[in-house]
Amino acid sequence: EAGVTQFPSHSVIEKGQTVTLRCDPISGHDNLYWYRRVMGKEIKFLLHFVKESKQDESGMPNNRFLAERTGGTYSTLKVQPAELEDSGVYFCASSHRVSGSSGDTQYFGPGTRLTVL
Amino acid sequence: GNSVTQMEGPVTLSEEAFLTINCTYTATGYPSLFWYVQYPGEGLQLLLKATKADDKGSNKGFEATYRKETTSFHLEKGSVQVSDSAVYFCAHTGGGNKLTFGTGTQLKVEL
Repeated sequence: EAGVTQFPSHSVIEKGQTVTLRCDPISGHDNLYWYRRVMGKEIKFLLHFVKESKQDESGMPNNRFLAERTGGTYSTLKVQPAELEDSGVYFCASSHRVSGSSGDTQYFGPGTRLTVL
Repeated sequence: GNSVTQMEGPVTLSEEAFLTINCTYTATGYPSLFWYVQYPGEGLQLLLKATKADDKGSNKGFEATYRKETTSFHLEKGSVQVSDSAVYFCAHTGGGNKLTFGTGTQLKVEL
């Protein structure tokens, strides 16, 4: 079974540019999460999809970030325009159950390292 | 609010030494507790978890016990190996399904 995949693995862009990150969850997983780790600090939650619906987007930092999950499969996270403080590692995770029990294991992708110059 | 506090690293140990990484948490409701590990150049992997008080999670020689009275979930291993060198993250789901992480503890094991 393929794990969670993310693309690209690295992205270097200039301030003001747009970047789109992609996440492909494990097949059949209804729950998809985005997290990020900035400057070696703690990993912070961004948002949670259940299928194609946004269940919780309380961690999205501002309206420069837009996440979509059309069709309930893969998800994209767009940053437009990017700022210096957006640099960090963006992780995607998925879990199986529709009910989303808090004990369900979230499986993480390898992350996308974003550098904004 | 929801938070996780874990000991700061880096932690450097000799092979076969005993490992403890402390983790305490504050959470609403009844959280599940997790330890994730990130090996160099790789993504986060679940190491172990516990879903209710007094449960013990274990995997690859690592153990952690869910202590509700002390709000702790300390990670232990009796004899570390060089291959255990990684960053270890404590986390919980006290705020619903989303994970709240600690800052991570880097472990380096030397021969």
